[in-house]
Amino acid sequence: DAGITQSPRHKVTETGTPVTLRCHQTENHRYMYWYRQDPGHGLRLIHYSYGVKDTDKGEVSDGYSVSRSKTEDFLLTLESATSSQTSVYFCAISRPSGGAPDTQYFGPGTRLTVL
Amino acid sequence: GQQVMQIPQYQHVQEGEDFTTYCNSSTTLSNIQWYKQRPGGHPVFLIQLVKSGEVKKQKRLTFQFGEAKKNSSLHITATQTTDVGTYFCALYTGTASKLTFGTGTRLQVTL
Repeated sequence: DAGITQSPRHKVTETGTPVTLRCHQTENHRYMYWYRQDPGHGLRLIHYSYGVKDTDKGEVSDGYSVSRSKTEDFLLTLESATSSQTSVYFCAISRPSGGAPDTQYFGPGTRLTVL
Repeated sequence: GQQVMQIPQYQHVQEGEDFTTYCNSSTTLSNIQWYKQRPGGHPVFLIQLVKSGEVKKQKRLTFQFGEAKKNSSLHITATQTTDVGTYFCALYTGTASKLTFGTGTRLQVTL
């Protein structure tokens, strides 16, 4: 694996509360990503980062913000959680693939339930 | 942006039967990647195809990229219970090494 950890692994929270999920990598990769996974939708990109303090939106970014103050950490924040944000969240890094396009390696995921 | 359709969404087979999942696009793809996710796990990279007509094998798994680079398939010969999971195809978009994932095919294998 690519030395990616996510915390917490499970969280139950209430509607309207702020939630922050953490992704930590040990291999100094430039690109990091946050996805959400829901039945019937596969993996959808929320936000991504291309360097320290450099982030951009993905396809489902509404209601989420991110920060990357250090290469190794990428934080995903739900400012005011809603039930529609109940999902499994995966962090990923992109790794060079020997001349071919980069491939991605995923963390173990965080299961978030918003009541 | 480019999108892919993955079919079927779900397939249930008896152990020993073959299984195929397809990834189709209306536009020409520069490459395609395949990932597997075991139940309760995270997606794991399997293989990448970049050339027209390319075929790659990993033991019982055969991956193909169409001649027109608009589709790809993953074929598993003689499925085993260890093959259970969801198989995703993904397109490399180039920008910030982002991927666009298909919706996945969930494979269930029973004895």
